[in-house]
Amino acid sequence: NAGVTQTPKFQVLKTGQSMTLQCAQDMNHEYMSWYRQDPGMGLRLIHYSVGAGITDQGEVPNGYNVSRSTTEDFPLRLLSAAPSQTSVYFCASSYRGLITYEQYFGPGTRLTVT
Amino acid sequence: GENVEQHPSTLSVQEGDSAVIKCTYSDSASNYFPWYKQELGKRPQLIIDIRSNVGEKKDQRIAVTLNKTAKHFSLHITETQPEDSAVYFCAASRGEYGNKLVFGAGTILRVKS
Repeated sequence: NAGVTQTPKFQVLKTGQSMTLQCAQDMNHEYMSWYRQDPGMGLRLIHYSVGAGITDQGEVPNGYNVSRSTTEDFPLRLLSAAPSQTSVYFCASSYRGLITYEQYFGPGTRLTVT
Repeated sequence: GENVEQHPSTLSVQEGDSAVIKCTYSDSASNYFPWYKQELGKRPQLIIDIRSNVGEKKDQRIAVTLNKTAKHFSLHITETQPEDSAVYFCAASRGEYGNKLVFGAGTILRVKS
């Protein structure tokens, strides 16, 4: 199993550009989430999905869109990049286990918006 | 919404000593409390978690305690080793699926040998 994969690893955008961060998992997990990590602020939930065709907003959804057409893929779209979106983005997947709800994180995408 | 506060922000201990990190949460409906470890440049990884129907859970040198009345939970690491040096995050979730996590700001743990 590859687990959770993310592409690209690094990206530099100019203000106003759009792009899609890719996330895929091969563990057949129902639940997928996107977080951003900024220094001193921990991880903050952007959007999440509890299954194909179902998405919802997290703490900081503004400026981002998601869709979940398949169980495996959960792309994150930046509509019009702003310097405030400079961050490290992590995708995670999980399942509703009997004992744990462990989230498996991808390796992250480091995004810089100039 | 939920708010999770984590203390201290940095913690230095001598190898072999114990380390304790504390978190408080605001939403009394939160029912799942995981702890993640993140090494520099790496992804967060779950080290231990606890549900609200349990007061304490232990896994070798790591333990978590939960006080629902006071709305706080703590991570205890005994016999610390240099490889325990990392950033530790607590989190809380009230969701049925445990995936709608609210994280604390993190604690940088340094274990000096």
